[in-house]
Amino acid sequence: EAGVAQSPRYKIIEKRQSVAFWCNPISGHATLYWYQQILGQGPKLLIQFQNNGVVDDSQLPKDRFSAERLKGVDSTLKIQPAKLEDSAVYLCASSSVGGRTGELFFGEGSRLTVL
Amino acid sequence: RKEVEQDPGPFNVPEGATVAFNCTYSNSASQSFFWYRQDCRKEPKLLMSVYSSGNEDGRFTAQLNRASQYISLLIRDSKLSDSATYLCVVRGYGQNFVFGPGTRLSVLP
Repeated sequence: EAGVAQSPRYKIIEKRQSVAFWCNPISGHATLYWYQQILGQGPKLLIQFQNNGVVDDSQLPKDRFSAERLKGVDSTLKIQPAKLEDSAVYLCASSSVGGRTGELFFGEGSRLTVL
Repeated sequence: RKEVEQDPGPFNVPEGATVAFNCTYSNSASQSFFWYRQDCRKEPKLLMSVYSSGNEDGRFTAQLNRASQYISLLIRDSKLSDSATYLCVVRGYGQNFVFGPGTRLSVLP
């Protein structure tokens, strides 16, 4: 079974530029999450989708971050304009049936460096 | 107060040692509890769920104390391959998964 796919793996941009990350969850997983993990910290939820609807985006900095999940499958996360403090790994995860069993399956992450 | 707090670490232990990690959570309505493991520069992966009665998986034992809002993970007979960051994860009913900051473990030869 294919895992969660993310791209790009690495991205270096200058502040005030924009960047987009893509995620394709495990086939059949209805719930998709985007987490931000800053070095030395645990992952912090940015947004949670159930199919193509948003369940929780309370911690998404909406003035610069946006995310969509068209057709309830893959998803993109965009940052515009980027700030230095956005340097982090952006992890996409998916789970089945709302993650009832507790297992989130993570992609390898997209590592963003903002200069 | 943060939702999930963990021992700051790092823990440096010799091979064969027993090590315990502690975690506390602030939301008394939390329903589900987990330990995830994250290797350096890798994604987190589920290590084990934590049940009210406590549960064991080989050398790993997890305990939950709902009254104290406290979770623990015990690793016996540590191996070099156990070196990683251990993340405590809490979930409320219908809510998202909240991760703690993690505790880094280094098992030394």
